[in-house]
Amino acid sequence: QKEVEQNSGPLSVPEGAIASLNCTYSDRGSQSFFWYRQYSGKSPELIMFIYSNGDKEDGRFTAQLNKASQYVSLLIRDSQPSDSATYLCAARDDKIIFGKGTRLHILP
Amino acid sequence: DAGVIQSPRHEVTEMGQEVTLRCKPISGHNSLFWYRQTMMRGLELLIYFNNNVPIDDSGMPEDRFSAKMPNASFSTLKIQPSEPRDSAVYFCASSSGTSGNNEQFFGPGTRLTVL
Repeated sequence: QKEVEQNSGPLSVPEGAIASLNCTYSDRGSQSFFWYRQYSGKSPELIMFIYSNGDKEDGRFTAQLNKASQYVSLLIRDSQPSDSATYLCAARDDKIIFGKGTRLHILP
Repeated sequence: DAGVIQSPRHEVTEMGQEVTLRCKPISGHNSLFWYRQTMMRGLELLIYFNNNVPIDDSGMPEDRFSAKMPNASFSTLKIQPSEPRDSAVYFCASSSGTSGNNEQFFGPGTRLTVL
């Protein structure tokens, strides 16, 4: 069974620090990887996607992919209280599989 | 520009009743996805359509669940009969294609409670 694993958290990070969110996936055929942010009671919204090994940066966000280790991460620099949310990692081959998410709490 | 529209936003029903959830995708998007989210199981893909045709319904939990997409601007997810374990938030999402990197835009969800 294809799975995407995430630590449920909560992960508490001081404001201004770097938040590091991690994810592993079981399907080696996965080609694309996504990070969604979901605020409580709201729907998921896409932050970043990545499909090549290495780093991809977008503003304060950096996605990292290591296909050999089947590992994806999301770094959030200069964390803000508004970054407090659940972050969903997803992997896609023929269809998209989501992890259960990591709750991130930025401490003011 | 309207996003994905879902109705109703909240539904409370009794066990055994039929429930119909509705979705209007973003205009011009040709792929539509139905998800279910619970604390225990997370976000699960139930079924997705491409150009109104069901492509993969392997996530549909059982025969009580059915989905239709009669045209490019409307889809329904029906549960008959409903059971308490169906209680969840049901999301509809749409995208402009099914290739790996097309962003899926999620609707606000329908919170279903089956008593």
